[in-house]
Amino acid sequence: DAGVIQSPRHEVTEMGQEVTLRCKPISGHNSLFWYRQTMMRGLELLIYFNNNVPIDDSGMPEDRFSAKMPNASFSTLKIQPSEPRDSAVYFCASSWGANSPLHFGNGTRLTVT
Amino acid sequence: EDQVTQSPEALRLQEGESSSLNCSYTVSGLRGLFWYRQDPGKGPEFLFTLYSAGEEKEKERLKATLTKKESFLHITAPKPEDSATYLCAVQATGGGSYIPTFGRGTSLIVHP
Repeated sequence: DAGVIQSPRHEVTEMGQEVTLRCKPISGHNSLFWYRQTMMRGLELLIYFNNNVPIDDSGMPEDRFSAKMPNASFSTLKIQPSEPRDSAVYFCASSWGANSPLHFGNGTRLTVT
Repeated sequence: EDQVTQSPEALRLQEGESSSLNCSYTVSGLRGLFWYRQDPGKGPEFLFTLYSAGEEKEKERLKATLTKKESFLHITAPKPEDSATYLCAVQATGGGSYIPTFGRGTSLIVHP
């Protein structure tokens, strides 16, 4: 298995631009998580999907952030418009069932100038 | 609110110098506690899951233990390749949510 695949690995954009991050979870996993990691706040959950349905989006900072999971093999996290404070590493993770560990992708490092 | 606190924030060891990392947690009920290793530029990689007080898991030079309030990750005779950030996460019971809450991590550097 190739593991969780995220793209792009790095994204540099200017303030006000739209940013789309992509994730392909491990085949067969039914749960998908988007996390954001910064030095100041560590790993923070943004949104959690189960069977492609958003279950908890309480971590999404504001309306500028949106996430979709149109099918079991693909998810996107969109930021529009982007701001410098959105600069962070964004991780996607997937898992199978309760009590199962998360499998993380290698993240997308976003820099907003 | 579930809370996870890891200590120390950073730890420097000489090769062969054993030590322990701490993860203290506050949850209404523990479903599971997870340890992960994160290398620079990579996502966290799963190490262990612990479910109940008294449980222990081992992998090479690492041993994880669990009590009702905290978990320890013991590193015996570490090598430079053990250098990484170690993250602890807890999954609480109740509410049907399986969302783990992560601690801030301990950055470990092992000098040759």
